[in-house]
Amino acid sequence: NAGVTQTPKFRILKIGQSMTLQCTQDMNHNYMYWYRQDPGMGLKLIYYSVGAGITDKGEVPNGYNVSRSTTEDFPLRLELAAPSQTSVYFCASIDGNQPQHFGDGTRLSIL
Amino acid sequence: AQSVTQLGSHVSVSEGALVLLRCNYSSSVPPYLFWYVQYPNQGLQLLLKYTSAATLVKGINGFEAEFKKSETSFHLTKPSAHMSDAAEYFCAVSFSGGYNKLIFGAGTRLAVHP
Repeated sequence: NAGVTQTPKFRILKIGQSMTLQCTQDMNHNYMYWYRQDPGMGLKLIYYSVGAGITDKGEVPNGYNVSRSTTEDFPLRLELAAPSQTSVYFCASIDGNQPQHFGDGTRLSIL
Repeated sequence: AQSVTQLGSHVSVSEGALVLLRCNYSSSVPPYLFWYVQYPNQGLQLLLKYTSAATLVKGINGFEAEFKKSETSFHLTKPSAHMSDAAEYFCAVSFSGGYNKLIFGAGTRLAVHP
């Protein structure tokens, strides 16, 4: 039981490049989330999903896209990377009223 | 709109001293409240949660928090700090019917010195 797994752990992108941050959970959780963490600002919700095929925007969705084709996977895509998207990205999942399980994060720098 | 405020972005205590990290929330509906801890280069780990049962909640590593509705507060305490408690602490809220989405405070970095 690996919990929530995020790949890659680190990445450097050039402005305008695209990439997909991967998130997989093996707990059969219906709810999944993407947050970004910026210094001094806590975590902000980017997108979330309440089940396969269902996604919705969070507080800061601009510049990102998501999909949820399976219960296990919830990838986050950056289409045109911008310096403002330099951040640490966390994926989380939850089942019922239990607390969210967080992955270890992806540290993304855009130069 | 719902929000979470953590007073003090940095708190420094001596080993063995009381730890007090402050959290206030703004909400028009009853919240669920959480404290998470983040060690360097790691994800978030749940310390404790309040879900409308007992107002004094005990968590892991000797931490506890008290929900005070009249003060809209959920402060985190530990009687005696250890060096290993040095980390960043986040207070968060969620709401029934809100798809368990978390709203986080900005975080408090706790330093523990000998």
